[in-house]
Amino acid sequence: EDKVVQSPLSLVVHEGDTVTLNCSYEVTNFRSLLWYKQEKKAPTFLFMLTSSGIEKKSGRLSSILDKKELSSILNITATQTGDSAIYLCARGTSYGKLTFGQGTILTVHP
Amino acid sequence: GAVVSQHPSRVICKSGTSVKIECRSLDFQATTMFWYRQFPKQSLMLMATSNEGSKATYEQGVEKDKFLINHASLTLSTLTVTSAHPEDSSFYICSATRGLTDTQYFGPGTRLTVL
Repeated sequence: EDKVVQSPLSLVVHEGDTVTLNCSYEVTNFRSLLWYKQEKKAPTFLFMLTSSGIEKKSGRLSSILDKKELSSILNITATQTGDSAIYLCARGTSYGKLTFGQGTILTVHP
Repeated sequence: GAVVSQHPSRVICKSGTSVKIECRSLDFQATTMFWYRQFPKQSLMLMATSNEGSKATYEQGVEKDKFLINHASLTLSTLTVTSAHPEDSSFYICSATRGLTDTQYFGPGTRLTVL
């Protein structure tokens, strides 16, 4: 089945906290795992992961893929109120399509 | 960059009318364009995949006669919601890929409200 499951579904933290968002996926036709951030409008691209164990980093955000566990995590350190958003994980298949998870709603309080 | 635009950003229409939404890749030629629908606090649901010059591929459960997709050029795809009903009210988002990559770049979305 073509399923992507994210956890937690929502998370409330205070500025300065570190958060870890989880994503697990089915293995069929796996090509890549992508993370997006969605605020008011459309998702903006964060990371694409294809190889297991190699961390990708951008500022306070980092992500890593574990193909053995069929999962990925997105870490955000020293969170800021501007990090409040829905974080979407998506699996790329050999057909070029993305299957999205339900998303994690992150709320960062000052 | 990889900028995708959508027009209009917001539309309100009467039940029974048709609405056309445009999706353009502004600074690149899109290999493939995708149309998604998103309900409040929910994830993106793929409606169809569109390649220039060929018929769109619709996901299971999506009515192709209701949601007409035309992909006239490498930079433009349109979605027409025909005979719109209140249950078609939603946020419609398009995306485009550049080259042979899984990374999709999203447009800003169109909020459709059918009265």
